[in-house]
Amino acid sequence: AQTVTQSQPEMSVQEAETVTLSCTYDTSESDYYLFWYKQPPSRQMILVIRQEAYKQQNATENRFSVNFQKAAKSFSLKISDSQLGDAAMYFCAYRSPLAGGGADGLTFGKGTHLIIQP
Amino acid sequence: DADVTQTPRNRITKTGKRIMLECSQTKGHDRMYWYRQDPGLGLRLIYYSFDVKDINKGEISDGYSVSRQAQAKFSLSLESAIPNQTALYFCATSEGFNNEQFFGPGTRLTVL
Repeated sequence: AQTVTQSQPEMSVQEAETVTLSCTYDTSESDYYLFWYKQPPSRQMILVIRQEAYKQQNATENRFSVNFQKAAKSFSLKISDSQLGDAAMYFCAYRSPLAGGGADGLTFGKGTHLIIQP
Repeated sequence: DADVTQTPRNRITKTGKRIMLECSQTKGHDRMYWYRQDPGLGLRLIYYSFDVKDINKGEISDGYSVSRQAQAKFSLSLESAIPNQTALYFCATSEGFNNEQFFGPGTRLTVL
């Protein structure tokens, strides 16, 4: 079974600064999908960014980018120009490709609580 | 209108009661999921469904059952609720196996 580890229970950053959230995962699969979800106090789960393992290029969505290191099984999220609205729990998630008949669904890390200091 | 809706949004019940949480979607997605979120544990998969005739257990299915009444509706039942089932429950949908999942607003369930 796959596991996802987020080693930073809480991170704090000054507004307008850059912060990087860490995520590592364990898998024997060669093809898979990785996601970062944001959960603000409203508790809604919001997709921030996704990465396909077969793509070497790191995904980018506006101020959000990832550093995907497949060999190291690392998938960190970088938030540039942090804004007060970025304050939330951030979850890293893994999804199998299903091509091998495996189970569906996302495997989540335990989350990182991001605090933005004004 | 929200694409994935959950009812109720909050529920308090007593030990031993039967509870049903409902999920509806207007996205037309084939796959639906139920997750449970506990503080400090992230989200864990309870059940998932590829279509109305295909139901699968997830990581923590014990004590839960589901019903896929239609492509757009997926219900989660607790036959006899117990206090350690107190949690935040999310429904999610996706189209195909290589796409992201879209989450409902969550149901906060408290079992006394």
